[in-house]
Amino acid sequence: EDKVVQSPLSLVVHEGDTVTLNCSYEVTNFRSLLWYKQEKKAPTFLFMLTSSGIEKKSGRLSSILDKKELFSILNITATQTGDSAIYLCAVYFHGQNFVFGPGTRLSVLP
Amino acid sequence: DVKVTQSSRYLVKRTGEKVFLECVQDMDHENMFWYRQDPGLGLRLIYFSYDVKMKEKGDIPEGYSVSREKKERFSLILESASTNQTSMYLCASTTGLGNGYTFGSGTRLTVV
Repeated sequence: EDKVVQSPLSLVVHEGDTVTLNCSYEVTNFRSLLWYKQEKKAPTFLFMLTSSGIEKKSGRLSSILDKKELFSILNITATQTGDSAIYLCAVYFHGQNFVFGPGTRLSVLP
Repeated sequence: DVKVTQSSRYLVKRTGEKVFLECVQDMDHENMFWYRQDPGLGLRLIYFSYDVKMKEKGDIPEGYSVSREKKERFSLILESASTNQTSMYLCASTTGLGNGYTFGSGTRLTVV
């Protein structure tokens, strides 16, 4: 059965900390992995990863994919309270739609 | 910017009512999706559509139906609402399979 697992499910840190969010998957015919950030409203797109070992970066956020070990990480450095959100990982595999993980709820305390 | 608009942010309906959730996108996307989001379960796909008048069941279609009479509009229908359909409903669209989604702002439905 195709599945996407995220860990931890919940995380509380203080401003300035660095966090690493994990996403592992078991799918056939993997095509891409996406990260979304969801605050009070709808998820917003962060990164799409298709190739192993190539880091994608946007400000304090970065992400990398390991297609051999079937996982991705999302790093956030120097966290701010505005980073508090649910971070969703989604995997697209050929012939299907996206399968979403359960999300990691990140809380950044001042 | 692509916009996906869901007509209601909050809805409260009674058990047994027929409920319509509307979603409209303005970028001529072929593919549209309805998800529900529940704590700890992530987003689960209810139905999707590749084209006008076409629909496919997702992972949890029971108790739902959809309608896509025009390319820009994808409606989710709860034929007879039940309390276990209380959830956040998200509509999304994309130009092609595998591309990132654009989500609507969500409809939080409460069935009492």
